Amino acid sequence: KNEVEQSPQNLTAQEGEFITINCSYSVGISALHWLQQHPGGGIVSLFMLSSGKKKHGRLIATINIQEKHSSLHITASHPRDSAVYICAVLPTDKLIFGTGTRLQVFP
Amino acid sequence: EPEVTQTPSHQVTQMGQEVILRCVPISNHLYFYWYRQILGQKVEFLVSFYNNEISEKSEIFDDQFSVERPDGSNFTLKIRSTKLEDSAMYFCASSVDRALMAQHFGDGTRLSIL
Repeated sequence: KNEVEQSPQNLTAQEGEFITINCSYSVGISALHWLQQHPGGGIVSLFMLSSGKKKHGRLIATINIQEKHSSLHITASHPRDSAVYICAVLPTDKLIFGTGTRLQVFP
Repeated sequence: EPEVTQTPSHQVTQMGQEVILRCVPISNHLYFYWYRQILGQKVEFLVSFYNNEISEKSEIFDDQFSVERPDGSNFTLKIRSTKLEDSAMYFCASSVDRALMAQHFGDGTRLSIL
């Protein structure tokens, strides 16, 4: 069983839709990262959180440590949001990655 | 904003050859990492490095792999005798501390073994 599970694996949306990507994990962690990977391959860190909720622009990330669950929300989605979104957890100092959610937003 | 830089962006090497992937972490960062992503698969941890020594390594990081911080700015990953299955995207990351601050990633080096 994977230590980090994401759902859905693939997601398509129309521009303007509200999007939610979920992440569940099975190990104890000190923090969780949400990362964005574009088709060229580069990885950008969106959020690192260990409790509660963080917001940056149209992106919101939440985490429930007791339930070992995190969500990434995108409000008013746009075609430029199309990317792979990856959840990664930090049990020690190494990140354990989920398989990613491929998001396509159509105009 | 400071960035982690990786060179080259793409490396093509014959099987059995040695390859060195280079990274320049953000200057005040103390923790350094290498990850790899085989095409179509998830990103996997290879090794973490702190205070001039390896702090943790994965099963993937066998004797063919080594890391070095030769001059206080570069952080290198060496693969001694490359195999076809080493073909992957290799990402370097760095962070200020072990757990409280986010890891910053480079754009990756795509390694192709022929």
